[in-house]
Amino acid sequence: DSGVTQTPKHLITATGQRVTLRCSPRSGDLSVYWYQQSLDQGLQFLIQYYNGEERAKGNILERFSAQQFPDLHSELNLSSLELGDSALYFCASSPPSGNTIYFGEGSWLTVV
Amino acid sequence: AQSVSQHNHHVILSEAASLELGCNYSYGGTVNLFWYVQYPGQHLQLLLKYFSGDPLVKGIKGFEAEFIKSKFSFNLRKPSVQWSDTAEYFCAVNAPGGYQKVTFGTGTKLQVIP
Repeated sequence: DSGVTQTPKHLITATGQRVTLRCSPRSGDLSVYWYQQSLDQGLQFLIQYYNGEERAKGNILERFSAQQFPDLHSELNLSSLELGDSALYFCASSPPSGNTIYFGEGSWLTVV
Repeated sequence: AQSVSQHNHHVILSEAASLELGCNYSYGGTVNLFWYVQYPGQHLQLLLKYFSGDPLVKGIKGFEAEFIKSKFSFNLRKPSVQWSDTAEYFCAVNAPGGYQKVTFGTGTKLQVIP
């Protein structure tokens, strides 16, 4: 158990819908990262927050958005879902030193 | 901008064979280097990491990696693989400091045949 908690673990939804994935980082970690992993695209970095502020942006679609709240938990919002958004979405966190990144178990999203 | 290259996308080995997975990074400053493993159906787990000091780093399950600064490389090795090592392996790099972006390689799928 890495200490990073993600909910829900599995989610099935229809095209055009909107979902929110939630992540609680390890206690004391200030950075939260979101990744998308699919069979055809591999592991893709989406976005990083550090202590509530966006620090880096990767291949995140405009239909997707994220935020980190004052209690440091983070949410990834996916809207106007398409079949191709079906993937495993990982959250990860790291301490202020940044010396290790810990991954959650992921949220499996299936869009039908 | 930092980048990470893993040249082997898919490696197939027999049990007891030796393993070396290549990882090259591009970054001009001090770096932290990581190898993560993802077993089928599971999340990424830290295998080993390098920050400073001895460039030969030992990790869990008999894995080790060597940081060669002149070659910008951080190759992963294991003298004798087991079927249970079948997984995907990711190399990653970031600059020191928790606010720094982490960059992952594209991963190498290792298949070990009994």
